[in-house]
Amino acid sequence: DTEVTQTPKHLVMGMTNKKSLKCEQHMGHRAMYWYKQKAKKPPELMFVYSYEKLSINESVPSRFSPECPNSSLLNLHLHALQPEDSALYLCASSQDLDRDRQETQYFGPGTRLLVL
Amino acid sequence: RKEVEQDPGPFNVPEGATVAFNCTYSNSASQSFFWYRQDCRKEPKLLMSVYSSGNEDGRFTAQLNRASQYISLLIRDSKLSDSATYLCVVNRGKTSYDKVIFGPGTSLSVIP
Repeated sequence: DTEVTQTPKHLVMGMTNKKSLKCEQHMGHRAMYWYKQKAKKPPELMFVYSYEKLSINESVPSRFSPECPNSSLLNLHLHALQPEDSALYLCASSQDLDRDRQETQYFGPGTRLLVL
Repeated sequence: RKEVEQDPGPFNVPEGATVAFNCTYSNSASQSFFWYRQDCRKEPKLLMSVYSSGNEDGRFTAQLNRASQYISLLIRDSKLSDSATYLCVVNRGKTSYDKVIFGPGTSLSVIP
């Protein structure tokens, strides 16, 4: 099973709303990632969790708040977003077990977010 | 200068053609390299990792030149189903602790 699942598939929210994006994998991967992708642009890394600890935060505004409740789950809490935050939010995971191996990331289908 | 650059595209090629994509990276500390493909409105999917010795998977061949900081992807006998955006991905290290950079992507359309 090489599947990463994300919910919801689509989300429309107002600028005063609070919502959460969810990501789940059951591959035993210990690294999980959040990316933001705008149309016709490549994914941009937002956060990396390794062994349930935040290891990289790419200077993301505090209105995005990641959470890793356990090794299979990754959440992204959203609050007071702006219309320019509308994008595809992708979750990915990788094994992160061995420094001598190249790490393949497996992506979920993404959540399409529209902020009004 | 962007850390990872790719051919701007788009590439429009007939079925059966051979097409080559190029990617350059600026950080000589980069350790691992990948090609992903992304279909319209879908997530990126790994096409192949790129090894120093070069590697081949069916119609796809990837090459890495560390001295020139250059990666390539060759697709032989193009199929309609190869139409997608091809993303070059560079990782400064070999694990998640190190920064992953996506290139801007090159769009390929294979025409009947």
